[in-house]
Amino acid sequence: NAGVMQNPRHLVRRRGQEARLRCSPMKGHSHVYWYRQLPEEGLKFMVYLQKENIIDESGMPKERFSAEFPKEGPSILRIQQVVRGDSAAYFCASSPSSGGFYEQYFGPGTRLTVT
Amino acid sequence: KNEVEQSPQNLTAQEGEFITINCSYSVGISALHWLQQHPGGGIVSLFMLSSGKKKHGRLIATINIQEKHSSLHITASHPRDSAVYICAAPLRWKGAQKLVFGQGTRLTINP
Repeated sequence: NAGVMQNPRHLVRRRGQEARLRCSPMKGHSHVYWYRQLPEEGLKFMVYLQKENIIDESGMPKERFSAEFPKEGPSILRIQQVVRGDSAAYFCASSPSSGGFYEQYFGPGTRLTVT
Repeated sequence: KNEVEQSPQNLTAQEGEFITINCSYSVGISALHWLQQHPGGGIVSLFMLSSGKKKHGRLIATINIQEKHSSLHITASHPRDSAVYICAAPLRWKGAQKLVFGQGTRLTINP
């Protein structure tokens, strides 16, 4: 059973370009979380999604950031018109259905560098 | 004030020493996660516990829900244990667990 997969692992974008980060949850997991780790800072929650639904996006910046988790395919975190401050490591995690406290399994992260 | 506080922020020890990392939280939760972030950046879930104690190899995690405190212990520490250890409290919200993270404890074990 493959773990959580993220790609690309490293992404370099120039200011103003778009960044697309992909996350494939573990098999059987229907909950996806995105977290951001800015340089020298701790992890911060961004958004929680289930298939075809954004459940909680309270941690997402109001502009330029969007996320989706379609019925088929990976979850996508999209950053439009990237700026230097978007440079960070972006982690996704997945867990099985709710109903209790479940362990979250983390992907290896995507390190975004904006030049 | 952070909702999840860890101490110490940095810890350097010699190989073989017994290590303790503490985590206190102000949010109301019923469980806590301990994570390990390797120097390469990957994150591994070590424990999720809601009461008492859990042990995995040389790692032991304890939690006191009433006192809102958890500890991670490493026995017979080894240089390969060098990593950042993070505690995270799941805020139950809209049927899911939104994790609130401590700032991490950077552990360095010298040979």
